[in-house]
Amino acid sequence: EAEVAQSPRYKITEKSQAVAFWCDPISGHATLYWYRQILGQGPELLVQFQDESVVDDSQLPKDRFSAERLKGVDSTLKIQPAELGDSAMYLCASSWTPVSYEQYFGPGTRLTVT
Amino acid sequence: AQSVTQLDSQVPVFEEAPVELRCNYSSSVSVYLFWYVQYPNQGLQLLLKYLSGSTLVKGINGFEAEFNKSQTSFHLRKPSVHISDTAEYFCAVSGPGGSEKLVFGKGTKLTVNP
Repeated sequence: EAEVAQSPRYKITEKSQAVAFWCDPISGHATLYWYRQILGQGPELLVQFQDESVVDDSQLPKDRFSAERLKGVDSTLKIQPAELGDSAMYLCASSWTPVSYEQYFGPGTRLTVT
Repeated sequence: AQSVTQLDSQVPVFEEAPVELRCNYSSSVSVYLFWYVQYPNQGLQLLLKYLSGSTLVKGINGFEAEFNKSQTSFHLRKPSVHISDTAEYFCAVSGPGGSEKLVFGKGTKLTVNP
């Protein structure tokens, strides 16, 4: 069964350092989502791509976060510089269409900023 | 804008007992409603969804939920739980058409004890 792949699974970094996460969606899925899940809370959408275009990045802290999906397939989420409050699980999801309930989630990257 | 309140942060139950996880939503328009399950250090998996039609929705792993428009609730139930049901459960809402972003509750940690 096709799955959303994410790497690394775990990342520890010091504050002020740069960090990047990678996501490979299910083949053929045009829509890709990045979520942040702070411990004890539900996921919050950071950015949504339709193919290579950003359709929603209203909750992305653009002063330090960036996301790209250059060829409309895999995607990278970057944080520079990392802050202590960025410690969280970063989840990637994908879907055939923007109809959000058909999202398939990857296993996530757990980031710890020290 | 939609919002979701999960009324219990933790629910401990004994194996083979019934369980209900409560979810209330707030919206000025009709909504789609979902329950997701998250096992430790994994991504989210869709349990069930309500889009329209019958208010009783059946999902995977023996779970079901009932949409109650007058009480703006979408409670999740299972008549007999197993140890393997131990996980975090998230209620989520999106606007009509499903193209609006998912808004998640804070989650309910279900612990099934032997």
